[in-house]
Amino acid sequence: DQQVKQNSPSLSVQEGRISILNCDYTNSMFDYFLWYKKYPAEGPTFLISISSIKDKNEDGRFTVFLNKSAKHLSLHIVPSQPGDSAVYFCAASSLTGFQKLVFGTGTRLLVSP
Amino acid sequence: DTEVTQTPKHLVMGMTNKKSLKCEQHMGHRAMYWYKQKAKKPPELMFVYSYEKLSINESVPSRFSPECPNSSLLNLHLHALQPEDSALYLCASSQDPGGDTQYFGPGTRLTVL
Repeated sequence: DQQVKQNSPSLSVQEGRISILNCDYTNSMFDYFLWYKKYPAEGPTFLISISSIKDKNEDGRFTVFLNKSAKHLSLHIVPSQPGDSAVYFCAASSLTGFQKLVFGTGTRLLVSP
Repeated sequence: DTEVTQTPKHLVMGMTNKKSLKCEQHMGHRAMYWYKQKAKKPPELMFVYSYEKLSINESVPSRFSPECPNSSLLNLHLHALQPEDSALYLCASSQDPGGDTQYFGPGTRLTVL
């Protein structure tokens, strides 16, 4: 049972344009959501998070949007840069409940010059 | 500072060897985690330590044995591994044992011959 889904395995974007990565979840107990960026053979790097009391959180070029009714979140990267090319994982958890992060399957982003 | 360190970076071992992976954080985090990641897959939780006590074991085979000597250190002892155990082993830590933001180390690339 895949509780967190990233339906696009890959995304290609030109430098300077917007990258939009999507994530859907099924468990209504989730109340905290995170995005991680991962390069090959390295650990995931935390990018940005959002709690369920908000619908938007922004940090520099990265913005995460949460639509609780649709159980959907998205990560916007504007403007996209070649160095953003990596695999992006969304993850979900319950701040008051279980101690696990549940990861999506990842989306590989390629930003071309 | 959100640094988690892991040693060694690479490890090659035979099926009869005994080896250990080490993880360290000095952020005062009270929860530490071991994950296993195979290529093109999300990280897969193995163990969770909360306040230096094992709180979650995700039905991991006994050939993997975790240890938390103190609040800053986490070890993973390996014995009689199989070639299918070859993977990237990631350590993470978080401030609180709930579903808080987890910060990952760079990982140990393990190859079992």
